[in-house]
Amino acid sequence: QPQLQESGPGLVKPSETLSLTCTVSGGSISNSRYYWGWIRQPPGKGLEWIGTIYYTGSTYYNPSLKTRVTISVDTSKNQFSLKLSSVTAADTAVYYCARLEPGEMFFDYWGQGTLVTVSS
Amino acid sequence: EIVLTQSPGTLSLSPGERATLSCRASQSVSSNYLAWYQQKPGQAPRLLIYGASSRATGIPDRFSGSGSGTDFTLTINRLEPDDFAVYYCQQYGSSPLFTFGPGTKVDIK
Repeated sequence: QPQLQESGPGLVKPSETLSLTCTVSGGSISNSRYYWGWIRQPPGKGLEWIGTIYYTGSTYYNPSLKTRVTISVDTSKNQFSLKLSSVTAADTAVYYCARLEPGEMFFDYWGQGTLVTVSS
Repeated sequence: EIVLTQSPGTLSLSPGERATLSCRASQSVSSNYLAWYQQKPGQAPRLLIYGASSRATGIPDRFSGSGSGTDFTLTINRLEPDDFAVYYCQQYGSSPLFTFGPGTKVDIK
């Protein structure tokens, strides 16, 4: 079973770029069967899909965030990363990385999540 | 965009009772790409059901999913104390590729 772990700063200033990394263990991110994604959850609210990446680098983004989001993959480190630019307080959330099973389109393994607060 | 609506917002039940949670989509969900997740406070969501009715690995058979098209249901038989949580449905389809419902909270009556 794979394990996913998010890492990155817990506090980001408004207008700056949020950067997070998800490290995958217990399985190769280059496994051609799976995709990898980022989902976020503002405090006390629901879940929002941010984007998804394949190990080849193909990406799919939520149109509502597309102009500010970049997801990349580093197969040598078994990691994938999220960058969200020009953040505001509305981007304060718990950010999760997760594995996507593309045959049935569900997220089966999730990281524990990391809270990112946008504040000066 | 496919919008998911979940009802009720909160369901107050006692252990041993049956919970019936609804998820309605604003458009038909293709190929029944509909999943259910359970989330407890401070934890990541946990996959329960995929393909509208298939249980994920390790999920007890007290959990069942049904439905197709725009109407889906998650049923939890014989509620156990560990089942009190928030439940989300999620669909895959048109842009954005993935959307989640607002959640149903199942709490102890």
